[in-house]
Amino acid sequence: EVQLVESGGGLVKPGGSLRLSCAASGFTFSAYAMNWVRQVPGKGLEWVSAISSAGTYIYYTESVKGRFTISRDNAENSLYLQMNSLRAEDTAVYYCARDDYGGKTFGEYWGQGTLVTVSS
Amino acid sequence: DIQMTQSPSSLSASVGDRVTITCRASQGIRNVLGWFQQKPGKAPKRLIYATSSLQSGVPSRFSGSGSGTEFTLTISSLQPEDFATYYCLQHNSYPWTFGQGTKVEIK
Repeated sequence: EVQLVESGGGLVKPGGSLRLSCAASGFTFSAYAMNWVRQVPGKGLEWVSAISSAGTYIYYTESVKGRFTISRDNAENSLYLQMNSLRAEDTAVYYCARDDYGGKTFGEYWGQGTLVTVSS
Repeated sequence: DIQMTQSPSSLSASVGDRVTITCRASQGIRNVLGWFQQKPGKAPKRLIYATSSLQSGVPSRFSGSGSGTEFTLTISSLQPEDFATYYCLQHNSYPWTFGQGTKVEIK
């Protein structure tokens, strides 16, 4: 059974840092591209970042470029999102989600989400 | 960036009604579009991928269609468990973009 379990969320002050993790199981993690998607409470979904299966290709939404870093450890079956210089507008539930094999389609598997709150 | 304009933003419907939700892309996305259902406090659930392919386990009352820049999600006969928020997503080019969402409420 495919499982994605996020952790690392919490309360952080503006300008602070946080590292989210996504532990994957039930599939060959190293064969799949992975993504982070976030959702401000009560608002819509926003794609944040993607990383290819080997970590070679990385993409970000404009608002997090230079502040967030996506990475992965295929030996540990884990995906990460290092978030620096956090702002109030980064407050959201962060989901990790998997591409389908071959990367042509997306979104069959999601984690349960982890809440990040940026507030003084 | 590709903008996804989803409409309506909300609708009220009765059990048994036919419901149609539309997403318009600001440029062609080669049918690389999915539809997701989300209920409060839960992760999104994929209903449709590649514009019109039904996700395994999803009831056949859900269908997707479209091409180029206009795409549609149809629920042929709304059921009580279908009251939720629905999103389209283009993942043809980065940054990927979601529609704003359509909240389907009980009339």
